[in-house]
Amino acid sequence: DQQVKQNSPSLSVQEGRISILNCDYTNSMFDYFLWYKKYPAEGPTFLISISSIKDKNEDGRFTVFLNKSAKHLSLHIVPSQPGDSAVYFCAASAYSQGAQKLVFGQGTRLTINP
Amino acid sequence: ETGVTQSPTHLIKTRGQQVTLRCSSQSGHNTVSWYQQALGQGPQFIFQYYREEENGRGNFPPRFSGLQFPNYSSELNVNALELDDSALYLCASSSGQQETQYFGPGTRLLVL
Repeated sequence: DQQVKQNSPSLSVQEGRISILNCDYTNSMFDYFLWYKKYPAEGPTFLISISSIKDKNEDGRFTVFLNKSAKHLSLHIVPSQPGDSAVYFCAASAYSQGAQKLVFGQGTRLTINP
Repeated sequence: ETGVTQSPTHLIKTRGQQVTLRCSSQSGHNTVSWYQQALGQGPQFIFQYYREEENGRGNFPPRFSGLQFPNYSSELNVNALELDDSALYLCASSSGQQETQYFGPGTRLLVL
């Protein structure tokens, strides 16, 4: 039962253009959503988050949009830079049995082409 | 500010053995969570420790156990290792009820 899905395993974008990464979820109890970026041989690095009471959060080149009715969120990166090439994970937060656990998608590999 | 650290970075074990992985939380963080990331998948929640007690567990058998120490560092122990336990084990720390978890670099475990 995959509660958080990233349906695109990979995405290729030209440098300077916009990168849009998508994520869908099924559990209405999720109340907080996060995006992490992961380079090989490193742990996930926190990028940006959004509470379920908001529909947009922006931080520099990164913007996360949340559509609760569609149970969909997206990460926009503009302009895309070569250093953005990495695997991006969407995660949803839920409290269960007293713990705040993150449920991750499978990841999308983003490649920025010069 | 010191980030999350994990040791060792890599480990090779044989089936049936036991392993202990270690994690030091980020300065000021009192909650530690452990995740398993299999190849090509997203991290999966194993359990969380807060105030030295386990306060939540994912879908992992009891042979996965842990500890948290007074300085908030943590250990993950896996007994009777199986081939499918080969994965990247990630530790994440957070501050109490704060939702954002910050991850360490992980320990890559290979079970032969």
